[in-house]
Amino acid sequence: QVQLQESGPGLVKPSETLSLTCTVSGASISNRNYYWGWIRRPPGKGLEWIGTIYHSGNTYYNPSLKSRVTISVDTSKNQFSLKLSSVTAADTAVYYCARDKVVPHDRYIDLWGRGTLVTVSS
Amino acid sequence: SYVLTQPPSVSVAPGETARITCGENNIGSISVHWYQQRPGQAPVLVVYDDSDRPSGIPERFSGSNSGDTATLTINRVEAGDEADYYCQVWDTGTDRVIFGGGTKLTVL
Repeated sequence: QVQLQESGPGLVKPSETLSLTCTVSGASISNRNYYWGWIRRPPGKGLEWIGTIYHSGNTYYNPSLKSRVTISVDTSKNQFSLKLSSVTAADTAVYYCARDKVVPHDRYIDLWGRGTLVTVSS
Repeated sequence: SYVLTQPPSVSVAPGETARITCGENNIGSISVHWYQQRPGQAPVLVVYDDSDRPSGIPERFSGSNSGDTATLTINRVEAGDEADYYCQVWDTGTDRVIFGGGTKLTVL
């Protein structure tokens, strides 16, 4: 059974960098049928896609966050990570890591982590 | 770029049929996917490629997509179906995932 587990600090100070890691168990992150990504849900709001990465390192980012986001992959550890710089209170959210199913000219999320709450506050 | 429009809320009595729409110009020309997010839980894929169901999703959940509207239909609604529902597409022009604003389904 494939599982995704987020880990990282639950509290980040304004202007600092948010860092999260997702550990994949039960499957190889190098599987060519999947990308691996991050989505967040701020309190009282809907889902917001952050970005996604292939095992080769190819990435796609939400244009609204692109200047602050870096997603990386470590195939040796079967993990991928998110860094979001210069955070503000607006970045407070539950952050989910997820597996994207790759099909021609399409993408959907077929597996989600449980999510982790990150609060931005001094 | 796509902007997916969903009604903020839908209410239905137990046993009735709920229909949640996702609107965008010519959305019928691309694939639409649907997620259920119960309170305090992670989202779950309930319909992909307009009308296919992942294993483990009840047959009560179905999807359709034509013209300017995609629809998630939930037959014989149960109390456990109360959740937020999101539609999603992949924008090939900008290479990004786009979610609708979400619809809160209330079971009366």
